[in-house]
Amino acid sequence: DAKTTQPNSMESNEEEPVHLPCNHSTISGTDYIHWYRQLPSQGPEYVIHGLTSNVNNRMASLAIAEDRKSSTLILHRATLRDAAVYYCIPFSGAGSYQLTFGKGTKLSVIP
Amino acid sequence: GAVVSQHPSRVICKSGTSVKIECRSLDFQATTMFWYRQFPKQSLMLMATSNEGSKATYEQGVEKDKFLINHASLTLSTLTVTSAHPEDSSFYICSAVQGGLAQPQHFGDGTRLSIL
Repeated sequence: DAKTTQPNSMESNEEEPVHLPCNHSTISGTDYIHWYRQLPSQGPEYVIHGLTSNVNNRMASLAIAEDRKSSTLILHRATLRDAAVYYCIPFSGAGSYQLTFGKGTKLSVIP
Repeated sequence: GAVVSQHPSRVICKSGTSVKIECRSLDFQATTMFWYRQFPKQSLMLMATSNEGSKATYEQGVEKDKFLINHASLTLSTLTVTSAHPEDSSFYICSAVQGGLAQPQHFGDGTRLSIL
């Protein structure tokens, strides 16, 4: 499995954009990059995924570096409900569908 | 769409009791379901992978006779913690994947298990 490096924690003011970085320098050429988040006392929630091109959905945007060794999850306007632990997970997408969760980034949103 | 329901959300029981947790995919058929365990302030640890109609694959260090997994249909998997002890107290989370390349996992809300 490709190893990831994420900041342990980040803070953001409410209604400000948040950029959550992830380094995955050992990612293979066919691995997708998945992002999940886990709110307190809940199961994880899928946020977004991509392979090479930047991706947008209703929750967030995903910016993938050209060399694919890093990516950034972008929350355009943080709300208090976005306070969670965010996990960046390289995912082969074939075969077992297994995810390996690291420690993630704990995002705090300040009112 | 892609809702996974997990029940019960919380269980408190005496040591030696067996506890069953259900995981259902409500609006899709899940080719594969997963069971995770999460201790306080730690990340999720995969316990086992379950495919409908076949035996579950357990991760190293997870006792298959203690954590019984049944995946009877494409929408239901159950985890039974047999003869639970206080050290089994944890947050148990299931997930399901519909299948197809790079499809995300969809998670239940978890079951908080407390063994007295």
